[in-house]
Parts: sequence; C-alpha cells; structure tokens
Amino acid sequence: QKEVEQDPGPLSVPEGAIVSLNCTYSNSAFQYFMWYRQYSRKGPELLMYTYSSGNKEDGRFTAQVDKSSKYISLFIRDSQPSDSATYLCAINSGSNYQLIWGAGTKLIIKP
Amino acid sequence: NAGVMQNPRHLVRRRGQEARLRCSPMKGHSHVYWYRQLPEEGLKFMVYLQKENIIDESGMPKERFSAEFPKEGPSILRIQQVVRGDSAAYFCASSPPSVDEQYFGPGTRLTVT
Repeated sequence: QKEVEQDPGPLSVPEGAIVSLNCTYSNSAFQYFMWYRQYSRKGPELLMYTYSSGNKEDGRFTAQVDKSSKYISLFIRDSQPSDSATYLCAINSGSNYQLIWGAGTKLIIKP
Repeated sequence: NAGVMQNPRHLVRRRGQEARLRCSPMKGHSHVYWYRQLPEEGLKFMVYLQKENIIDESGMPKERFSAEFPKEGPSILRIQQVVRGDSAAYFCASSPPSVDEQYFGPGTRLTVT
C-alpha cells in the first residue's frame, strides 16, 4: 500500500461546479498537509497548507483534513476553466523534511 | 521577491554528454530539494541539500548523478554520461529552515537524444 493514495483522474466537470479532490494516507503520524497545483509544463505551486483537522478556506479553495479517517480534501467552488491543472497532495510527518507526494489528479473544467 | 529560479528551462544533450542544471532558491531560503518528474507521473524526490551539505541523497541514482549547494552561488544537479532514460523534467524547490512548505521553480526539461 502506498503511503499516500490519490486518484489520477482525469476528473472533468462543467464550469461553475464544485470540485472535490481527495487523498488518503496510511500513517497516522503525518501532521502537515499541503495541496499544490501544477499547470502543464510548469512547476508545482503551493495552494494550501494545513496542520490540524478541520477546514481552512482561501478564496474559492477549501482544504479539509480528517485525521481520524486519514483523509484530506481540496474543494474548489465556482470552478473556472483556468482551474484546469493537476492537483497534488503532499504530506509531511513533522519529524523530517521529506514530503510524501500523491500522484496528482488531473482536473479539467469544461467551459 | 523573486521566486525559485532554474536554468536552463530546456536542455538538449546527446547520449554520453553531461547535463548541468542550476537552481537559485528564494531569498532567505537555505534548503534546496531536487525532484524528477516523468510525463503523467508524480514527483520523485532525489536529494535534499543545505548550504555546503548534502542532507539526504537517498532518491538519487548512485552513479552518474551528483548535487551540490555551495556557500556562494546556485545549487547544481549534475548528470554525467546522460542516457535516454534521464529525459524528464527536473524541479528544484526551496524552503526556509524549519519550515515544511516547499516552493518550486519552473523546472528544467532535459531531453537526451
């Protein structure tokens, strides 16, 4: 079993829909959770960073962590074609620097 | 505040040549990480460096690959005697000390012909 599982998609939704992207992880020691967005042929861009269970909101983006289920989510409201990208989750145990990466979910927002 | 800079953005090498990839971290960041990404795949950790120190190179192939982060100047990822399988996007990320978030550069796309 991989330490971090993420459905590679592609996930295709119409413009304006609410998007839900998810990762599951296996190690309950993981403490820090990040979401990155990567446009085609570009570097990953840090979107959200959370530490505790619960929700964190930033504009149209909401990151949710459920440590009891070892499940993290990224919600995108009012999705737009410019949100089309690959979204990667990254997790850190807190005891060292290494991030454990999901494979990334390719998101397509149809106009 | 300039972000992480990488150059060149595109690099073409013939089999057997050397490739040198450069990374300048964000201002104030003393930690550098190198990753490799193949098409349609996730990021694979290669090496973690601090100034003048290699902290973890467990993700780097034992042969032909080396990395450094000198006291002055950019971090360098060096691939000797490149082979076609080395063709990939190589990303550098940086972070300040004791901080988990990593900020990525635009990547260098290496093509070996």
